[in-house]
Amino acid sequence: EVQLVESGGGLVQPGRSLRLSCAASGFTFDDYAMHWVRQSPGKGLEWVSGISWNSGTIDYADSVKGRFTISRDNAKNSLYLQMNSLRGEDTALYYCAKDMEGTFHYYHMDVWGKGTTVTVSS
Amino acid sequence: QSALTQPASVSGSPGQSITISCTGTSSDVGGFNYVSWYQQYPGKAPKLMIYDVSIRPSGVSNRFSGSKSGNTASLTISGLQAEDEADYYCSSYTSSSTLDVFGAGTKVTVL
Repeated sequence: EVQLVESGGGLVQPGRSLRLSCAASGFTFDDYAMHWVRQSPGKGLEWVSGISWNSGTIDYADSVKGRFTISRDNAKNSLYLQMNSLRGEDTALYYCAKDMEGTFHYYHMDVWGKGTTVTVSS
Repeated sequence: QSALTQPASVSGSPGQSITISCTGTSSDVGGFNYVSWYQQYPGKAPKLMIYDVSIRPSGVSNRFSGSKSGNTASLTISGLQAEDEADYYCSSYTSSSTLDVFGAGTKVTVL
């Protein structure tokens, strides 16, 4: 079964850091690009970051550029999101998503995890 | 503010057809055939319904279809059913920037 399981969310104070993980199974992880997408309570989807199959191409939404770092470990079938200098507006449910392609710029996200919740509050 | 404009809501009666629009520019929707549509139920993860403007992934009902004209892409749901009540988001490849990959979303209500 193709599956993505996110972890690492929680309550964190503004300015602090958090690292999210996404464990992939059921498919050849290193064939595909991956994304992080978030959704604030009651709001729409916001693409956060994408990484190509070999980590050769990476990009971020302007709202997180310079604060968040995406990475992957193909040997461990895992995707990560290092989030630094967290702000209240980063409070959201964070989804890990698989792309249908090795590159992420077409945004063909065909498999999604259930998400992990990040709450930034003092 | 999203670069892709969707109506906030669309409604229809069971059995009817409805269309959700997604309007962009020549730098995204109009310039490339890489529009995707996602369905999301409350409290659930999104599901890919259409990619590359009009291609349905395996397992998606053929009541869902996609098209594009100029800078506007559309998702049509035919034979509307109660289970189609959800939020729908469009996305598109863009040559300009990675700002706002998704539209703001459209809430579909089945009357």
